[in-house]
Amino acid sequence: ETGVTQTPRHLVMGMTNKKSLKCEQHLGHNAMYWYKQSAKKPLELMFVYNFKEQTENNSVPSRFSPECPNSSHLFLHLHTLQPEDSALYLCASSRDQGAGPYGYTFGSGTRLTVV
Amino acid sequence: DAKTTQPNSMESNEEEPVHLPCNHSTISGTDYIHWYRQLPSQGPEYVIHGLTSNVNNRMASLAIAEDRKSSTLILHRATLRDAAVYYCILTNYGGSQGNLIFGKGTKLSVKP
Repeated sequence: ETGVTQTPRHLVMGMTNKKSLKCEQHLGHNAMYWYKQSAKKPLELMFVYNFKEQTENNSVPSRFSPECPNSSHLFLHLHTLQPEDSALYLCASSRDQGAGPYGYTFGSGTRLTVV
Repeated sequence: DAKTTQPNSMESNEEEPVHLPCNHSTISGTDYIHWYRQLPSQGPEYVIHGLTSNVNNRMASLAIAEDRKSSTLILHRATLRDAAVYYCILTNYGGSQGNLIFGKGTKLSVKP
């Protein structure tokens, strides 16, 4: 257990479904991140939140909608996804945006399959 | 784009030392050098980090070039469990997007 908990671990959804991914940390970190990792591809930064405010949106399609109600929780709302959105979605947190000397803590990820 | 470059893959024999290089020629004076590794279907986990001096911990050693434009992660005796993708990334305070982007990393294979 890393201190960053992602649920669910696995998710299969149809292209017309709406689902949400959840990330939770109680490390006292102020920054939280969503990354996407497609098969055999590097990590792709999606969104960054710092003190609950979105600071980065890396040109992510609107079918992905993030929500950060507080510094401990981060959600990724999914709707009308495409099969190419199937990937491992990773949440990370850090004490401050940019991580400084303290680095990032990652969750174990949600394996998403869109059918 | 990522601010670090690493070889795509490396191979090692079990119980031999492994040196994983990373180039970061545009590193700034306030950037820390972090290394993470990712096992299949898991999130990256912290390995080691440093600023200017070489660092040792129970997992690995980090050798940082004097000009800080490159670094090397050293696994002293590779085991089969060390087979993973290793990422080198620069971190700092404030976190411009370039510092939040992971490169492709180095896929380390360990042969018994």
